[in-house]
Amino acid sequence: GQQLNQSPQSMFIQEGEDVSMNCTSSSIFNTWLWYKQDPGEGPVLLIALYKAGELTSNGRLTAQFGITRKDSFLNISASIPSDVGIYFCAGNAGNNRKLIWGLGTSLAVNP
Amino acid sequence: ETGVTQTPRHLVMGMTNKKSLKCEQHLGHNAMYWYKQSAKKPLELMFVYNFKEQTENNSVPSRFSPECPNSSHLFLHLHTLQPEDSALYLCASSVEYAAGGGEQFFGPGTRLTVL
Repeated sequence: GQQLNQSPQSMFIQEGEDVSMNCTSSSIFNTWLWYKQDPGEGPVLLIALYKAGELTSNGRLTAQFGITRKDSFLNISASIPSDVGIYFCAGNAGNNRKLIWGLGTSLAVNP
Repeated sequence: ETGVTQTPRHLVMGMTNKKSLKCEQHLGHNAMYWYKQSAKKPLELMFVYNFKEQTENNSVPSRFSPECPNSSHLFLHLHTLQPEDSALYLCASSVEYAAGGGEQFFGPGTRLTVL
């Protein structure tokens, strides 16, 4: 089935560093969602984006809905050990009700 | 209880067993979902119930049988599963299943192992 291209696949950073990850689609999306999943848990919604160009923050997290409507970015500033986990992007394209998912970016933070 | 809860959290079953997964949402939502999460694959949507009516069946084998008695509860009945069905099964809910309305809230999942 359709999936989003999410990159990078994994990141290993030092505590305090900033992190950037992105998601791209071959089709125009109406909604972009960013989730975080901790080991043994379900994904938790971090940020929802509904408008092209929209920039939304949630604490140290900032996400943007790309102007082309085919991409989205998630930035984490001043990373801390509890940021460790897998970050997923997801979105709706056109009139589709189904969410399309990326494969995730695995983040490791070295204290 | 708050959010979306799932029981059991872990399940080991043989290929001839029958078991059920349970999901309950306390968010007042009208849509509920079953997803399968396997390593190296994106989340796979299995079933969607919108206002208690099944609106999506993503070509799921009949050995998986969903049940939605009301908007707050969702079950996944399992029988004669295969080892490749071992995965994390996630339940989610949203206000409704609508175009562009994507905010889904997930439970913690059931880790299923089929021997």
